Amino acid sequence: AQTVTQSQPEMSVQEAETVTLSCTYDTSESDYYLFWYKQPPSRQMILVIRQEAYKQQNATENRFSVNFQKAAKSFSLKISDSQLGDAAMYFCAYRSALKGNEKLTFGTGTRLTIIP
Amino acid sequence: EPEVTQTPSHQVTQMGQEVILRCVPISNHLYFYWYRQILGQKVEFLVSFYNNEISEKSEIFDDQFSVERPDGSNFTLKIRSTKLEDSAMYFCASSEILGMHSNQPQHFGDGTRLSIL
Repeated sequence: AQTVTQSQPEMSVQEAETVTLSCTYDTSESDYYLFWYKQPPSRQMILVIRQEAYKQQNATENRFSVNFQKAAKSFSLKISDSQLGDAAMYFCAYRSALKGNEKLTFGTGTRLTIIP
Repeated sequence: EPEVTQTPSHQVTQMGQEVILRCVPISNHLYFYWYRQILGQKVEFLVSFYNNEISEKSEIFDDQFSVERPDGSNFTLKIRSTKLEDSAMYFCASSEILGMHSNQPQHFGDGTRLSIL
């Protein structure tokens, strides 16, 4: 079974600064997908960024980028130019590429606080 | 942008009662899911549903749980005889297509907070 570990229960960053959230995972599969979801106090889970394991290039979405290290099974999220609206719980998630195994496996989350 | 909608936003139920949580997935999506999040804990997979049948379920999804797609739009989670430990946030999600080399994400609803008294 796959597991996802987020070792930072809480992080804080000064507004406009850069912060990196860590995520590691364990799997025996070679093909899979990784996601970062954001859950603000309004509680809806919002997709931030996704990465395909077969792609070597790190995904980027505006101020959000990932550092995907497949051999190390690491998938960290970098938020540049942090904004107050980035304050939320951030969940790292894994999904197998095998058909019939489409569930997301989540980490325990990192609560990000933005300091004005 | 199309959204997954869930009703009610908050449900309070006496222990032992049946509860039905409702979800309207995004209209062209084919895969549907339920997850739950006990307060302060991580989001856990309950069940996935495709082509009018369960495609996968977790150990949590025991005989007290069932899912149904009663019409073309709703996707429901029924908990037959609720227990105190069923108190949690329940999220519905849907996705378009999946399988090899499909990175389609799951889109989540706002959740239903279920409180068992």
